[in-house]
Amino acid sequence: EADIYQTPRYLVIGTGKKITLECSQTMGHDKMYWYQQDPGMELHLIHYSYGVNSTEKGDLSSESTVSRIRTEHFPLTLESARPSHTSQYLCASSDAGTGAYEQYFGPGTRLTVT
Amino acid sequence: AQSVTQLDSQVPVFEEAPVELRCNYSSSVSVYLFWYVQYPNQGLQLLLKYLSGSTLVKGINGFEAEFNKSQTSFHLRKPSVHISDTAEYFCAVSRLNNAGNMLTFGGGTRLMVKP
Repeated sequence: EADIYQTPRYLVIGTGKKITLECSQTMGHDKMYWYQQDPGMELHLIHYSYGVNSTEKGDLSSESTVSRIRTEHFPLTLESARPSHTSQYLCASSDAGTGAYEQYFGPGTRLTVT
Repeated sequence: AQSVTQLDSQVPVFEEAPVELRCNYSSSVSVYLFWYVQYPNQGLQLLLKYLSGSTLVKGINGFEAEFNKSQTSFHLRKPSVHISDTAEYFCAVSRLNNAGNMLTFGGGTRLMVKP
């Protein structure tokens, strides 16, 4: 059973506010990912990390930023939320050592910016 | 570059009927293939994966998929669906020998099981 957690699960916030979406995993995985998913749509990779102090932008351009100070923690921050940021954000992690290549997903944060 | 195409955006089916969700991929190199399921308001859960070996892969909840290299397909099947199988299903491909374990997802297929 994968242990990856995201908080909050739901967030409604006004335009211009700064928000941080939390993601933590207890599996010791080096690699972590953030995806953005609009309702009924595919997942788009927006950020990933190979390990501590490593962050990279994904395929879909995003105004959000990420940090990776600890292996288990990969928060995503929006400095000034806008209605266009309304979406579901999914965090995932994977273990490079096993060669299995699958990613384990958290339950997601559904963000609504009013 | 890789791409994944799920040919049906929605598949309605009656309970206890068989179902096939279609997935085709394009890649110039060998790949690993995955099917994930997403229930409403939840994250993705791995159903099954193809890494190597037998082309018929069995997963959880009675699902199976068949890897067909010549047709570049990885269709998901279940012989008899339940109401609880109603969910969104995503096919994904991972690049071989990519230390980043990057996945490319298809657009998803919504399976709607009717009583």
